[in-house]
Amino acid sequence: SQTIHQWPATLVQPVGSPLSLECTVEGTSNPNLYWYRQAAGRGLQLLFYSVGIGQISSEVPQNLSASRPQDRQFILSSKKLLLSDSGFYLCAWSGDSYEQYFGPGTRLTVT
Amino acid sequence: GQQLNQSPQSMFIQEGEDVSMNCTSSSIFNTWLWYKQDPGEGPVLLIALYKAGELTSNGRLTAQFGITRKDSFLNISASIPSDVGIYFCAGPTSGTYKYIFGTGTRLKVLA
Repeated sequence: SQTIHQWPATLVQPVGSPLSLECTVEGTSNPNLYWYRQAAGRGLQLLFYSVGIGQISSEVPQNLSASRPQDRQFILSSKKLLLSDSGFYLCAWSGDSYEQYFGPGTRLTVT
Repeated sequence: GQQLNQSPQSMFIQEGEDVSMNCTSSSIFNTWLWYKQDPGEGPVLLIALYKAGELTSNGRLTAQFGITRKDSFLNISASIPSDVGIYFCAGPTSGTYKYIFGTGTRLKVLA
């Protein structure tokens, strides 16, 4: 069966510090991968998606970036965090069935 | 662009009652997905629908793919306290790998 992992689960970072969130998927090949951000009590905002290694599509201009160095690994990064980057970050994957599955999320607080 | 409107936005119900919520779009979807999100966790896929008119159940949950392909419905029978959470509808957009999410229905169950 397929599983999706995210780490860390929670993170507190000062403004201006770098960020690296990692997501890995097991049990499937060539998944489509996604990064979403969710503000408290709000819906899901798509940040990036990737349909293959090295292929990244950005949805929202911001100081975040994403990379896909391996087939089942998706990384969200920032060189300098802003207060507005605080939120709940979710990684997800989808395959041929169009069903999308989410990871457990990372709670980021920028102080 | 495509949008999904969910209603109601929130609802309080008594334990044991049945719950109905819906999701509508101005454009056609070929797949409808329903998720439940508990606080601090990633959304969990409850039901996936693939054909207009399809009715699919998952325990006490039943979802329907609207005939017009522009709406979907989720029903929960005999609600229990653990049904509390936010329910999202979603669907993949045509011609892209992106998914559109509804704004969510927040369900609170009174014991």
